Amino acid sequence: GQSLEQPSEVTAVEGAIVQINCTYQTSGFYGLSWYQQHDGGAPTFLSYNGLDGLEETGRFSSFLSRSDSYGYLLLQELQMKDSASYFCALHEGGRRALTFGSGTRLQVQP
Amino acid sequence: ETGVTQTPRHLVMGMTNKKSLKCEQHLGHNAMYWYKQSAKKPLELMFVYNFKEQTENNSVPSRFSPECPNSSHLFLHLHTLQPEDSALYLCASSQAKGLAGEETQYFGPGTRLLVL
Repeated sequence: GQSLEQPSEVTAVEGAIVQINCTYQTSGFYGLSWYQQHDGGAPTFLSYNGLDGLEETGRFSSFLSRSDSYGYLLLQELQMKDSASYFCALHEGGRRALTFGSGTRLQVQP
Repeated sequence: ETGVTQTPRHLVMGMTNKKSLKCEQHLGHNAMYWYKQSAKKPLELMFVYNFKEQTENNSVPSRFSPECPNSSHLFLHLHTLQPEDSALYLCASSQAKGLAGEETQYFGPGTRLLVL
């Protein structure tokens, strides 16, 4: 089967940088996505990595190392509005559905 | 606006009731999904519909019955639910890009269900 692990909670201050890690296990890896979900809201897509390396989208970047079965989401210049849950999600070849991690709750403090 | 709408947004039902959740996507996608999100648990995939055909059923109890009449609409029919079925039910859609694998899923706002 497949599984993902990510920390349950992270706290950081406004303006700081935070890294949320995700490790995964699967026999059919295709890619890793990151989603953001505010309380009471829907998950929204942030970033996707299919190949090793860093993908940058504004203040958010995502990294993947397929040899280590590991990825991370990097959030820079943290703002209060970044307080939310962040999920890594596993894409597997030949399968359209995603497998989601349990989520990391990020709390940004002033 | 995500292009995926869900109704109702909130639902309270008794264990003997029958209700339906509705999802509509306005993005022209060809796959739709139902997920369940319970407190302190990851999003759990329930069903996948690919070009209106069900392609995955993640061992979901028969008291949940999906229906996909066309590629834009998805329903989840509920009957004789249990209190542990109380959760946020999320619908999502995506568009195939050749081989399945790299697809961004777009989620609706969800229906928060409480079973008494």
